[in-house]
Amino acid sequence: DAGVIQSPRHEVTEMGQEVTLRCKPISGHDYLFWYRQTMMRGLELLIYFNNNVPIDDSGMPEDRFSAKMPNASFSTLKIQPSEPRDSAVYFCATAKTGGREDTEAFFGQGTRLTVV
Amino acid sequence: SQKIEQNSEALNIQEGKTATLTCNYTNYSPAYLQWYRQDPGRGPVFLLLIRENEKEKRKERLKVTFDTTLKQSLFHITASQPADSATYLCAPSAGNTPLVFGKGTRLSVIA
Repeated sequence: DAGVIQSPRHEVTEMGQEVTLRCKPISGHDYLFWYRQTMMRGLELLIYFNNNVPIDDSGMPEDRFSAKMPNASFSTLKIQPSEPRDSAVYFCATAKTGGREDTEAFFGQGTRLTVV
Repeated sequence: SQKIEQNSEALNIQEGKTATLTCNYTNYSPAYLQWYRQDPGRGPVFLLLIRENEKEKRKERLKVTFDTTLKQSLFHITASQPADSATYLCAPSAGNTPLVFGKGTRLSVIA
């Protein structure tokens, strides 16, 4: 397996524009997580899915953020409208189980988002 | 609220010495704890997992301890090498919950 694949790797957009980040999970992994990483706040959990169903979105900062997982092979994180404070590296991670002791999370390479 | 603290933002160490990184947590009781390594421009990569009933775990030059009384895990790299330079993240977990990470400690091993 090629691992967790995220696209794009880098995104520069103007404030107010819609941004869509994409993730292809590892086949057979039931859990998918979206994280955001900044120097100030570290790695923050935004939302996670189990079998394509959103389980907990309490980490999503505001209504401008939304995430979907239409099937087991694809997930998106959308920001509309984007703001400069959304600038960060966004990671998608997947796991076979949702946090039991035998779970390790596999991370994608991340998308570095810059909103100007 | 749950809090995870890693001892310092950055740690500089001479090649060949043992690096020791600290992870402290408050307001919850993890059943296990994971350590990850993150290189610049890349996602975190899993290194080790230790369970609450394990005092110590080793993998090659890595050693992790877990003290549930002190609410602390220590991560040691013996005979450190410049290639060990990276950011190391801890993630205590109560089980059946997604991983929540500390901010990490950036380790620099100087030749």
